[in-house]
Amino acid sequence: ILNVEQSPQSLHVQEGDSTNFTCSFPSSNFYALHWYRWETAKSPEALFVMTLNGDEKKKGRISATLNTKEGYSYLYIKGSQPEDSATYLCAFLPNTGNQFYFGTGTSLTVIP
Amino acid sequence: DAMVIQNPRYQVTQFGKPVTLSCSQTLNHNVMYWYQQKSSQAPKLLFHYYDKDFNNEADTPDNFQSRRPNTSFCFLDIRSPGLGDAAMYLCATASGTYTDTQYFGPGTRLTVL
Repeated sequence: ILNVEQSPQSLHVQEGDSTNFTCSFPSSNFYALHWYRWETAKSPEALFVMTLNGDEKKKGRISATLNTKEGYSYLYIKGSQPEDSATYLCAFLPNTGNQFYFGTGTSLTVIP
Repeated sequence: DAMVIQNPRYQVTQFGKPVTLSCSQTLNHNVMYWYQQKSSQAPKLLFHYYDKDFNNEADTPDNFQSRRPNTSFCFLDIRSPGLGDAAMYLCATASGTYTDTQYFGPGTRLTVL
């Protein structure tokens, strides 16, 4: 079983603040990393698929970076809005198999 | 315009009473996954299908079975639910390769009394 860790487990920010959180994964057998956003009572929604060291992806106010050599990915949200409140999950795919390993998620609450 | 549909959204069953959860997709994707997520834990893969090829994860209990009668539908059968099987069950699809984005259903919350 591979260990994928996300930190922090939860955070509360004020509307307008920028925030970031981390996904850590084994660096030795990286193949791909996915980020998902999961709003309460809805389906998890894909944000980014990252495959190359140094990748930077952006979607609106949300961006992500990838460092495969040290085994981490950062997700950034600029100018948080209440609609950004959700759990953000990362999923790691090793090059040794065909199974994704999820982190436990970071629960973000944006306070109006 | 739901693309991955799970029914029911909430399921209550009794200890030991078999239950079936269903998943359907309108995306015509080859790959379908079943995940189990217990409270405060990471989603854990139970099975996946690549087309009709069934892949059972090594640590998935025998109590869990799956069927995929056609491309669109996939079922998760829990033969004798225990209290420890209470969880959110997520179905997901992907178009082909394992790096492809997964499209999730909203999940079925299973309660075992």
